[in-house]
Amino acid sequence: GAVVSQHPSRVICKSGTSVKIECRSLDFQATTMFWYRQFPKQSLMLMATSNEGSKATYEQGVEKDKFLINHASLTLSTLTVTSAHPEDSSFYICSARAAGPLGEQFFGPGTRLTVL
Amino acid sequence: LAKTTQPISMDSYEGQEVNITCSHNNIATNDYITWYQQFPSQGPRFIIQGYKTKVTNEVASLFIPADRKSSTLSLPRVSLSDTAVYYCLVGAAASGGSYIPTFGRGTSLIVHP
Repeated sequence: GAVVSQHPSRVICKSGTSVKIECRSLDFQATTMFWYRQFPKQSLMLMATSNEGSKATYEQGVEKDKFLINHASLTLSTLTVTSAHPEDSSFYICSARAAGPLGEQFFGPGTRLTVL
Repeated sequence: LAKTTQPISMDSYEGQEVNITCSHNNIATNDYITWYQQFPSQGPRFIIQGYKTKVTNEVASLFIPADRKSSTLSLPRVSLSDTAVYYCLVGAAASGGSYIPTFGRGTSLIVHP
């Protein structure tokens, strides 16, 4: 299957700092990318949907000014957690949707964010 | 927006066949059904996708009745490494309809020796 990478795989930061997470589709062009957050023993929660060259669509309850999403190309989307706080500590997962009739969705390996 | 319901957990033993059913009563005409597997601290991994009847690949089969209000993921002869959380998603294919891939609670499968 297609490969989606995320960088970094884990990050520890101090409260108040900003953290950027990259999501890349390595061998295909993604029409749409999605960002999820997952807390321990819970399901994935969709945060936002982004399409290349346009503003992201955020799910209800997700602060767009805190979770900045940039989708600069068909293979790269970034999520920046601004002024991170301990409650933002979570597992962040991106996925990329391939073009084509079935539009398969492929997931990255996730980024573990710990805010001290 | 199709909502999915799955059993929270299931237990099985090595070598047995496991069937996990997902209910999606509000599935739309152009929605596909996709199943994912997730191990702890990893992203979900695609297992299988289908629209109706039966789909089979090298790891699983997917059974979808005519009314498409449910689907069953069948894992033949499970092993310990199949212990994971399994999610079903419903959503429109790229060719039509909006697609908001929302995960339900998933089914935690534990395979015992």
